[in-house]
Amino acid sequence: GENVEQHPSTLSVQEGDSAVIKCTYSDSASNYFPWYKQELGKGPQLIIDIRSNVGEKKDQRIAVTLNKTAKHFSLHITETQPEDSAVYFCAAIGNYGQNFVFGPGTRLSVLP
Amino acid sequence: DAGVTQSPTHLIKTRGQHVTLRCSPISGHKSVSWYQQVLGQGPQFIFQYYEKEERGRGNFPDRFSARQFPNYSSELNVNALLLGDSALYLCASSFQGAVNTEAFFGQGTRLTVV
Repeated sequence: GENVEQHPSTLSVQEGDSAVIKCTYSDSASNYFPWYKQELGKGPQLIIDIRSNVGEKKDQRIAVTLNKTAKHFSLHITETQPEDSAVYFCAAIGNYGQNFVFGPGTRLSVLP
Repeated sequence: DAGVTQSPTHLIKTRGQHVTLRCSPISGHKSVSWYQQVLGQGPQFIFQYYEKEERGRGNFPDRFSARQFPNYSSELNVNALLLGDSALYLCASSFQGAVNTEAFFGQGTRLTVV
């Protein structure tokens, strides 16, 4: 079945620097890849997504890239701010047919 | 517009008891999925419902069941609770039944089994 790996597990950056989180997936049939941000005590919040027919997508300071050949996709956050501190999850379409398979998460800390 | 709402927000149960968790999707959304998130891990898929029919089931025991009502709200039931069932239970709603569409999560129900 689908397996999603995510690296790094923790990431600390200085405010204003960029942060990159990388994910790999196993099922070549996967075609939708969302990213979620989860703050303490809250549910995951969809921040950006990408479909398999697109190589890159940007939304202000956030961008996602997809390499279908290598089966990996990445989240890029530029000009990081303290409020970007959270746990970030990548996900891919799963082999049960109607669910996401999530990576284990990356805890991002933006230091002022 | 209201987002996905889940109730209750916190719950403490004793081993062997049963629990019912509730979810109201975003207005107009017809699909509801349930996920279990153990502390420090990513969410794990439990069920998906679309138009009141079960569309998918994850690798969870039969103690877990769910249903979707005509107004598209949903309930997750867990019987014979075990300590290992302690987790954050998340509900996600999406407009369509296909998974490759945006899904929006509620704040979750924190279940503690003692």
